[in-house]
Amino acid sequence: NAGVTQTPKFRILKIGQSMTLQCTQDMNHNYMYWYRQDPGMGLKLIYYSVGAGITDKGEVPNGYNVSRSTTEDFPLRLELAAPSQTSVYFCASSYFNSGQQEQYFGPGTRLTVT
Amino acid sequence: GQQLNQSPQSMFIQEGEDVSMNCTSSSIFNTWLWYKQDPGEGPVLLIALYKAGELTSNGRLTAQFGITRKDSFLNISASIPSDVGIYFCAGLNYGGSQGNLIFGKGTKLSVKP
Repeated sequence: NAGVTQTPKFRILKIGQSMTLQCTQDMNHNYMYWYRQDPGMGLKLIYYSVGAGITDKGEVPNGYNVSRSTTEDFPLRLELAAPSQTSVYFCASSYFNSGQQEQYFGPGTRLTVT
Repeated sequence: GQQLNQSPQSMFIQEGEDVSMNCTSSSIFNTWLWYKQDPGEGPVLLIALYKAGELTSNGRLTAQFGITRKDSFLNISASIPSDVGIYFCAGLNYGGSQGNLIFGKGTKLSVKP
């Protein structure tokens, strides 16, 4: 199993540009998540999905959009990039069963908006 | 919203020493997870705790789920240079939140050989 994979690893965007961060998992997990991590901080939840076709907002959803058309893929879209979105983005997945949940993370995408 | 207080923020220790870090919250959690993050990498799960009072080991790592369900600690025994990294605690209250983890801000561990 490759686990959770993310592309790209690094990206520099100009203000106002848009991009999609890709995330794929091959563990047949039902739950998927997008987090952002700012320097010296923990991870903040942006969006999550409990299954294909179902998404919901996390703690910091503004400026982002997601979709979940398949179990495996959970892309994160930035429509109008702003400097405040400079961060490291992590995708995670888990199999939520009877309250036991262990989230597995991808390697991250480092995004700079200038 | 729910918050986790993780301490200490950073630690500088000598190789071979034992390490202890903890997380506390004003809220009750049903699950505690401990992760380690190496520079430029995603967090890697170390230990998962599911029951109040549970004590679980993974090699030189030991973690406990506090009896009040509001805290957890992680101990590392006989530290080695590859223990360097940032350790995060994360709590889960799945009562109504669809399984969303709340993360502490991390403990940065430095080990001097």
